[in-house]
Amino acid sequence: DTGVSQDPRHKITKRGQNVTFRCDPISEHNRLYWYRQTLGQGPEFLTYFQNEAQLEKSRLLSDRFSAERPKGSFSTLEIQRTEQGDSAMYLCASSLPSQGPSTDTQYFGPGTRLTVL
Amino acid sequence: GENVEQHPSTLSVQEGDSAVIKCTYSDSASNYFPWYKQELGKRPQLIIDIRSNVGEKKDQRIAVTLNKTAKHFSLHITETQPEDSAVYFCAASSALTSGSARQLTFGSGTQLTVLP
Repeated sequence: DTGVSQDPRHKITKRGQNVTFRCDPISEHNRLYWYRQTLGQGPEFLTYFQNEAQLEKSRLLSDRFSAERPKGSFSTLEIQRTEQGDSAMYLCASSLPSQGPSTDTQYFGPGTRLTVL
Repeated sequence: GENVEQHPSTLSVQEGDSAVIKCTYSDSASNYFPWYKQELGKRPQLIIDIRSNVGEKKDQRIAVTLNKTAKHFSLHITETQPEDSAVYFCAASSALTSGSARQLTFGSGTQLTVLP
């Protein structure tokens, strides 16, 4: 499968624990996005990387959340001191800048479903 | 920031009929409008997109129309089949302050059920 991959697919944790998710984008895609999706809602933007640089963060991303993309390839999203409200599907997407001013297409991974007990 | 509203939230059609899902957006600077299909427990998959320099785009049984003046766009599925049953999300791009990358703002989704 040459698409975006995410690991783990499911994570159950207790409130207060730290969790880390990984995203592997499509190779040669230098743009990587994290979104959060709660039940019955569309994905909400969290943060964006171009290569290894984190260029945008949503106000949704509290200081308990941190994301990295150290070598410009895979990315990790860490949530510290998890709360029940963090329970959601965490989606990663990647894109390759298109030629000219057109917006590039984002391709999504299967997501990591987090359940905080 | 951008706000996208999507209607209806649920839609049931008979197999072979057409389905139409409508979205409105608020940011006149948005210029890219993708539609994603998401089956239960699976990733959102892009099914069609449209850029603001065109008013309509068609791909087999799927078409999207865009009215920039009214800030709304619609997804049309003809000759629906049971495998079209899924949640459909519209999205509008809004500019990120850095570079040319775009943040997608999604609608709340439409659960389409195609009855055999």
